[in-house]
Amino acid sequence: NAGVTQTPKFRVLKTGQSMTLLCAQDMNHEYMYWYRQDPGMGLRLIHYSVGEGTTAKGEVPDGYNVSRLKKQNFLLGLESAAPSQTSVYFCASRPNRIPTIRSYNSPLHFGNGTRLTVT
Amino acid sequence: GDSVTQMEGPVTLSEEAFLTINCTYTATGYPSLFWYVQYPGEGLQLLLKATKADDKGSNKGFEATYRKETTSFHLEKGSVQVSDSAVYFCALPQGGSEKLVFGKGTKLTVNP
Repeated sequence: NAGVTQTPKFRVLKTGQSMTLLCAQDMNHEYMYWYRQDPGMGLRLIHYSVGEGTTAKGEVPDGYNVSRLKKQNFLLGLESAAPSQTSVYFCASRPNRIPTIRSYNSPLHFGNGTRLTVT
Repeated sequence: GDSVTQMEGPVTLSEEAFLTINCTYTATGYPSLFWYVQYPGEGLQLLLKATKADDKGSNKGFEATYRKETTSFHLEKGSVQVSDSAVYFCALPQGGSEKLVFGKGTKLTVNP
């Protein structure tokens, strides 16, 4: 069971170039997320998806686009990379929320990250 | 909005020392609370969770108690090991959404 797999693991881009980060999960999870991790900033949510064919903006969506054409895949695109997008990107997934009075949310499963440098 | 605040790091301890990493939260209602751990070069993984007030989550010798009166979820371990060196994140689900909000992380280094 691979869990959440991110490709590539590392990438160096020049300003203005484009690329797509791929996230694949084999757990049949409904929800998928893209976060970026920067020193002193913790994790910030870029975009997320609550199911196949759906996407929604997170905390820092500008400069990124996403697509969820298949349930198991969630793609993060950078159309014109900027140095401010140098970061480590994490994909995560989780199953449906279990409906309870206390709004329990199931935990996230993370990939191992993609380290992106934009020069 | 809902948020978590955790103590600034880094924290450096000797092996077998006692660990506390503070986490306080602001939230509407009573959300589940989580601690995640990130080992070097890896993604985050769930360490423990608590789903209601006074619940104690525990795993791998770590514990955290959901304190409604102080809005806290401090992480503790009685005797740390070198293998516990990692970054620890407190988190909660943002009310009314499908998003998880994370603290900024606390880096722990345990020396032999």
